[in-house]
Amino acid sequence: DAGVIQSPRHEVTEMGQEVTLRCKPISGHDYLFWYRQTMMRGLELLIYFNNNVPIDDSGMPEDRFSAKMPNASFSTLKIQPSEPRDSAVYFCASSLGAGANVLTFGAGSRLTVL
Amino acid sequence: SQQGEEDPQALSIQEGENATMNCSYKTSINNLQWYRQNSGRGLVHLILIRSNEREKHSGRLRVTLDTSKKSSSLLITASRAADTASYFCATDAGNQFYFGTGTSLTVIP
Repeated sequence: DAGVIQSPRHEVTEMGQEVTLRCKPISGHDYLFWYRQTMMRGLELLIYFNNNVPIDDSGMPEDRFSAKMPNASFSTLKIQPSEPRDSAVYFCASSLGAGANVLTFGAGSRLTVL
Repeated sequence: SQQGEEDPQALSIQEGENATMNCSYKTSINNLQWYRQNSGRGLVHLILIRSNEREKHSGRLRVTLDTSKKSSSLLITASRAADTASYFCATDAGNQFYFGTGTSLTVIP
């Protein structure tokens, strides 16, 4: 398996633009997590899915953020409109089950909003 | 927040020395995991310790868990330059994983 695949790896955009980050989890994994990492706040859990269904989105900072998982092999995180404070590295991770199971992370998408 | 905190925030040692980093968390847990992050990369799982375990080993890694103190430690023995990375503890609350703030380890050749 190629692991968790995220795209794009780097995104530079201007304030107000729409940003879409993509994630392909490991085949067979039933949990998918979106995290945001910044120097100030560390790793923050934004939302997670189980069997394509959003379970907890309480970490999503604002209505400008939305996430979908239309099928077991694809998820998106969308920011509309983007703001400079959204600049961060966004990670997608998947696992088979939760709790005692291991998270496999993607390489991350580094977002810079000017 | 159930987020853990690692201590120290940064650690610099000579190659061959041992590195110890600590993690404290706030609520009861089922399991605690340690992850490593190399610069510009995603996190990689290192080791998992269950709440009913007190110590676990994996190669040069030794993890301890004290649930009464809500703390864990990660020991890396005989460190190598390739161990230079950030290390995070992660606690699970049901189906969610909460990460600490990380310890940045630099191993000087």
